[in-house]
Amino acid sequence: EIVMTQSPATLSVSPGDVATLSCRASQSVISNLAWYQQKPGQAPRLLFFGASIRATGIPARFSASGSGTDFILTITSLQSEDFAIYYCQQYANWPPYTFGQGTKLEMK
Amino acid sequence: EMKLLESGGGLVQPGGSLRLSCVGSGFTFSAYGISWVRQAPGQGLEWVSAIIGSGTVTEYTDSVKGRFIISRDNSKNVVFLEMTSLRAEDTAIYYCAKGRTTTARPAPFDSWGQGTLVTVSS
Repeated sequence: EIVMTQSPATLSVSPGDVATLSCRASQSVISNLAWYQQKPGQAPRLLFFGASIRATGIPARFSASGSGTDFILTITSLQSEDFAIYYCQQYANWPPYTFGQGTKLEMK
Repeated sequence: EMKLLESGGGLVQPGGSLRLSCVGSGFTFSAYGISWVRQAPGQGLEWVSAIIGSGTVTEYTDSVKGRFIISRDNSKNVVFLEMTSLRAEDTAIYYCAKGRTTTARPAPFDSWGQGTLVTVSS
């Protein structure tokens, strides 16, 4: 099973600033990596797939990069609606699909 | 617009059973794999089970093998998760989620239902 590790667990950032979230896989997932955003009381929403391909309707202030074992989600010009929990997920090797434990992006 | 709607959650005693349903609309249901993903209270996401579009291939996470069965009825656009021998650690919100591609290869989830809460407690 591929273990996904996200860091930091919590990130405090001010609105308008940049947030950088990390995700590391215990073995290469090539580019089979997705990012999701989850707000309280809501289902997760797909942000990126293929490590860097933005899903439909995701604003350009969100970007993602990486391959192999190390991946980054960057959010520039943070807006109030961006404060949420972010999960990475590998789909290179299943079962099982595995998720990271999440990074909570909170307002500073 | 793609939509998924879960139902069937509730309170069940340890050792009991429950059947969850997930109805899809707004897409060619039979062409896409569907997964169940659960989230225990205050915790992260855990993939539970998946079924490909044709229904001929199913997969499970180890902790539910032998206890949960996933199936689908494409004539009614519905996927089921039959859960038996339920344990306290199965308590979670259960989401159904649609695979992004029509191939049988693993894919990320581009549409999620709102979830249904399963509580296992005496």
